[in-house]
Amino acid sequence: GAVVSQHPSWVICKSGTSVKIECRSLDFQATTMFWYRQFPKQSLMLMATSNEGSKATYEQGVEKDKFLINHASLTLSTLTVTSAHPEDSSFYICSVPLLAGVNEQFFGPGTRLTVL
Amino acid sequence: DAKTTQPPSMDCAEGRAANLPCNHSTISGNEYVYWYRQIHSQGPQYIIHGLKNNETNEMASLIITEDRKSSTLILPHATLRDTAVYYCIVRSGGNAGNMLTFGGGTRLMVKP
Repeated sequence: GAVVSQHPSWVICKSGTSVKIECRSLDFQATTMFWYRQFPKQSLMLMATSNEGSKATYEQGVEKDKFLINHASLTLSTLTVTSAHPEDSSFYICSVPLLAGVNEQFFGPGTRLTVL
Repeated sequence: DAKTTQPPSMDCAEGRAANLPCNHSTISGNEYVYWYRQIHSQGPQYIIHGLKNNETNEMASLIITEDRKSSTLILPHATLRDTAVYYCIVRSGGNAGNMLTFGGGTRLMVKP
């Protein structure tokens, strides 16, 4: 299957700082990528859809000015958590849809963010 | 997309078949049933999907009832590495570019 990487795999930061998370599709190009957030013992919640060449689409309740998404190329999307606070501590996961073949989404390994 | 209902947890003995049920009574004609699983602290992994026919791949089998209101994911010979949360998701159009809505899933514990 397709390979999706995320960097970093984990990060600890101080409250008020910004953190950038990268999602890369290693073996195919993607005009769309998805960003999810997962709090402990909860399910994944879609935050936003990252679109190459245009603005991201955010789900209701997700602040676009706090969670900046940049789909820099057909293989890279970045999520920047600005002015992070402890309540932003979570597991952030990206996915990339492969429209050919099995026609399903491949997920990255996730990034665990801890804000002190 | 139609909502799904799954039992919150199940146990299975190693080497035995694991049968994970999912109810999707409000599924519409163009909606597919997808199954993903998430091993602890990892990203979800695609398992299988189907529209109305039963499907089988190297990981699992998917049995969809004739009225399509429920389905069962079957892991024929569960191993300890199959311990994970299994998500049943209904999505329109069978298009990977459409968003996935995750419910609570079933936490499967495979025991020796």
